[in-house]
Amino acid sequence: GAVVSQHPSRVICKSGTSVKIECRSLDFQATTMFWYRQFPKQSLMLMATSNEGSKATYEQGVEKDKFLINHASLTLSTLTVTSAHPEDSSFYICSARNIAGDYNEQFFGPGTRLTVL
Amino acid sequence: GQNIDQPTEMTATEGAIVQINCTYQTSGFNGLFWYQQHAGEAPTFLSYNVLDGLEEKGRFSSFLSRSKGYSYLLLKELQMKDSASYLCAVMDSNYQLIWGAGTKLIIKP
Repeated sequence: GAVVSQHPSRVICKSGTSVKIECRSLDFQATTMFWYRQFPKQSLMLMATSNEGSKATYEQGVEKDKFLINHASLTLSTLTVTSAHPEDSSFYICSARNIAGDYNEQFFGPGTRLTVL
Repeated sequence: GQNIDQPTEMTATEGAIVQINCTYQTSGFNGLFWYQQHAGEAPTFLSYNVLDGLEEKGRFSSFLSRSKGYSYLLLKELQMKDSASYLCAVMDSNYQLIWGAGTKLIIKP
């Protein structure tokens, strides 16, 4: 089946630093990747939709200058949290859409737990 | 606006059957997904319905009624490992997933 990897799985950083999270589709090409954030006991919140070779589309309320998304190839998208603050601590999950699949299914990466001190 | 409703929490007994309901109002419809999410992990795909009716896959079944904007996930022969959150998501006319808040299922021995 389709596999999506995410790196790192866990990161702890100091306030004010930047953190980059990678999302890779390992065995399929993903023209579209999605970045979600999930706070404890809450559902997934879509942050942005990332299309290969073009600018990401951000959801309302998500600061594009703070959450930089790059989708440089059909198998890699990155999310950089710039000048991270404690309120950015969350579980960040990417997913990739397999356009060759039967029904536009999204495959999820294992997630990255970010803790900002 | 777009809205997905599902119960916040349900409790069931090991070996029993549980039904988790989901109602939705979305801009267009391109299918309904059910995902399972264990604490601290990413969601994993369970089922997909785009036509009315019941889809059965082992111990799990999913039902859809598009006219009623309604779906349910049926879990049979519950096992302790089924304790998780179950997320209902609808793909709208833009092929974007609209997520419910999830139903936390607690299985008791």
